[in-house]
Order: sequence, then structure tokens, then C-alpha cells
Amino acid sequence: DAKTTQPPSMDCAEGRAANLPCNHSTISGNEYVYWYRQIHSQGPQYIIHGLKNNETNEMASLIITEDRKSSTLILPHATLRDTAVYYCIVRAASGGYQKVTFGTGTKLQVIP
Amino acid sequence: NAGVTQTPKFQVLKTGQSMTLQCAQDMNHEYMSWYRQDPGMGLRLIHYSVGAGITDQGEVPNGYNVSRSTTEDFPLRLLSAAPSQTSVYFCASSYLYLGRVHEQYFGPGTRLTVT
Repeated sequence: DAKTTQPPSMDCAEGRAANLPCNHSTISGNEYVYWYRQIHSQGPQYIIHGLKNNETNEMASLIITEDRKSSTLILPHATLRDTAVYYCIVRAASGGYQKVTFGTGTKLQVIP
Repeated sequence: NAGVTQTPKFQVLKTGQSMTLQCAQDMNHEYMSWYRQDPGMGLRLIHYSVGAGITDQGEVPNGYNVSRSTTEDFPLRLLSAAPSQTSVYFCASSYLYLGRVHEQYFGPGTRLTVT
């Protein structure tokens, strides 16, 4: 799996959009981008994933650049409950046994 | 669905003791994995399995054993606990699609302290 780089921390005002960047410059053509978050000491929670196109679900939007070397997770209206560590990982689309590894993520603090 | 369950929630061990951390899932997922998370750190992969009878090592396998005799269960064994194994342990499961691990579902974690 390709390596990812994320800022260690970010702040966002409550009610505003939170934009969390991720750099994955060594991503290959068959690798998906996945986002998870970990609230306090709970187990991580899946948020969204994508390959090339932008994706949206009830939790967030994922914007992937045309060259696929970076992506942004967007929480459209951040609430205090969105305070968490957000992990961006990339994963191959098929084949072989998968070692799914996480980095250190971005700690998002939503401020009232 | 109970999802992914882990027992115990908390455990204190003395150095040299052995124990098994239990993990079970009721979603019929082929893929299961164990991670450890040290304070202020990300998750590190210990072992993983793509089906009953098939396991492989992750990033930090030393000191841990696993086996997968059923689809549902994936226990993690510490043969001789060391203080360096003090951590929070998370189990996760996922289905496989064309060999790809899909979104993972995580358990609530086991907080282990080794004195």
C-alpha cells in the first residue's frame, strides 16, 4: 500500500466545513483511498472511500485530485462530536493478501 | 448483529504471564485483523487472516500468536507478556471483494497493562 501524509492536527469552528487533506503521491492506479476516524479511545470507524471520482455519503465528501496524488475529506458542518483523529489510508484494489496499515492521522478539534 | 466483539475490556498481567484476547464477529467476514495502539500513536498491524486456517504477520508480530479455526473467531495470544506490550488492542473484520479488503469494522478494544 502507498504511504500517506497528513497534518498532525487541525482546528475547525463548529458549524463550519472541516477540510482534512491527505497526500498520497506514490499511489498507484488500482489503489483506493479510505478514510476512518477514531473518537477518543473507541475503535476506528469507517467514513468513506474512493478511487478516482469524488464521493459523498451521509457523513462526508471525498475529493480526489485528478492526478490522484492527494485527497481532501470534507465534513460539511462540523459538530463537537466530530472531534476525533482522522486516518487516510490507501489500499490496492485486488489481488494478494492485504496488510492494511494506518498512519498517525490528523487530530481534528472542533471548537464551539 | 453484534458486530465485532472483544473480551476482556480491561486486563492487567504480570510480566511473563500468558493470556488470550478474544475477538468474534457475526458478519461472516473473511478478513480479520489485530492492531495495537500505544498512547498518542496510530494503529499498528500485528497479525491478519483472510479466512479460516490462513494467517499472516503484520508490522509488529513479535510476541504474539494467532490462529483462525472458524470464520467467526480470531484470538490473539500473548505467550509471555512484557511491559512493552502494554497497549490498547483492536480487532477488526471486513469482507473481501476480488481480494480487496473492504471497509473494516472495529471492536471496542481491550486495554492491557503489563506490570
